[in-house]
Amino acid sequence: AQSVSQHNHHVILSEAASLELGCNYSYGGTVNLFWYVQYPGQHLQLLLKYFSGDPLVKGIKGFEAEFIKSKFSFNLRKPSVQWSDTAEYFCAVTLENTGKLIFGQGTTLQVKP
Amino acid sequence: NAGVTQTPKFQVLKTGQSMTLQCAQDMNHEYMSWYRQDPGMGLRLIHYSVGAGITDQGEVPNGYNVSRSTTEDFPLRLLSAAPSQTSVYFCATLKNRGQRVQYFGPGTRLTVT
Repeated sequence: AQSVSQHNHHVILSEAASLELGCNYSYGGTVNLFWYVQYPGQHLQLLLKYFSGDPLVKGIKGFEAEFIKSKFSFNLRKPSVQWSDTAEYFCAVTLENTGKLIFGQGTTLQVKP
Repeated sequence: NAGVTQTPKFQVLKTGQSMTLQCAQDMNHEYMSWYRQDPGMGLRLIHYSVGAGITDQGEVPNGYNVSRSTTEDFPLRLLSAAPSQTSVYFCATLKNRGQRVQYFGPGTRLTVT
């Protein structure tokens, strides 16, 4: 069965530190890749997405992610985090044309001011 | 456009009670789905629908029923609530199966005692 794995369950950083959250998926076919963010008390928002083309994608609020097909990975990065980035981050995958989202377990990011 | 709306926002049930979580969308999206969010498990697909009159099971369908009589509405029914169904429930829509970005509602927090 297809699955998505996020390596870090809880990350604590100080402001201005760099962030990298790992995401791996298991599926050999064509996938669409997403990172969603859920700020405290709010619903899911799309952070960035990858469908095809340049494997380095940029999203909102200075986030970026790199798709490495050979590693089945889609890691999220931000050079310098802010306190307002405190949230839960979810990696998700859809198998092309199925419309079903498969989520990772989520990573809680806490940024200390 | 209101987008995706969910009611209620919060609900407390006793074991054995029944209730319906409502999801409505005004974007004329064909595809609708229900997810539940549990700590450390990400979001898991409960049921989904690719159009009015068509529903199918997701990853965790047991204990839930759905129907899709109109394009706009996709209610989720708990026939006999159990404590294991304590969770946050999200409805999501997709314009059609060929599109790739899903839109999430604000969620319903359900507690079963």
